[in-house]
Amino acid sequence: DTGVSQNPRHKITKRGQNVTFRCDPISEHNRLYWYRQTLGQGPEFLTYFQNEAQLEKSRLLSDRFSAERPKGSFSTLEIQRTEQGDSAMYLCASSWGAGETQYFGPGTRLLVL
Amino acid sequence: AQSVAQPEDQVNVAEGNPLTVKCTYSVSGNPYLFWYVQYPNRGLQFLLKYITGDNLVKGSYGFEAEFNKSQTSFHLKKPSALVSDSALYFCAVRVPDGGFKTIFGAGTRLFVKA
Repeated sequence: DTGVSQNPRHKITKRGQNVTFRCDPISEHNRLYWYRQTLGQGPEFLTYFQNEAQLEKSRLLSDRFSAERPKGSFSTLEIQRTEQGDSAMYLCASSWGAGETQYFGPGTRLLVL
Repeated sequence: AQSVAQPEDQVNVAEGNPLTVKCTYSVSGNPYLFWYVQYPNRGLQFLLKYITGDNLVKGSYGFEAEFNKSQTSFHLKKPSALVSDSALYFCAVRVPDGGFKTIFGAGTRLFVKA
């Protein structure tokens, strides 16, 4: 097992375009999290899944953001009609069990021009 | 409001000296507390956690942290700093409301000088 992977690692897009990011968690992990991190800040919680169920969404997750985890394995995060304020590092993490240690992927860095 | 505070943006320490990175939290109930480290161009890595039991928790790379319920603090410590410890450190708390939302502090950059 190679850990949590995220694709793409970098994405440059123009304002108004849609983007989709993918996260592949550690295979036996049932929980998957999405965070956004901007320069000089800690990760901000966006949403999390337990298996395929999306159990919580942050108020940061506007209507333009949607996340799925259709089969309880990989997850996608889509941002529609991107804005310059969406520029950030998007982090994915996964975990298993009650101890709740989260294992993070390398992140996808988004730049909206 | 539930929050995590890391009052120092940066901590400077000489190699071989003890280091402390501070963290305080404000949540109701009994939180799970975590420290993560972020090296340049790498993802966040788990260092240690407190769930219950002994207030002094030992983790990776010689780090430890002490949970203090009365002061709502969870400071990260190491007896003897290494230059390779230089990185960005994040304190995090899992909100104990039955869900798994985790709140992170803003981070503290640690510089260890040779």
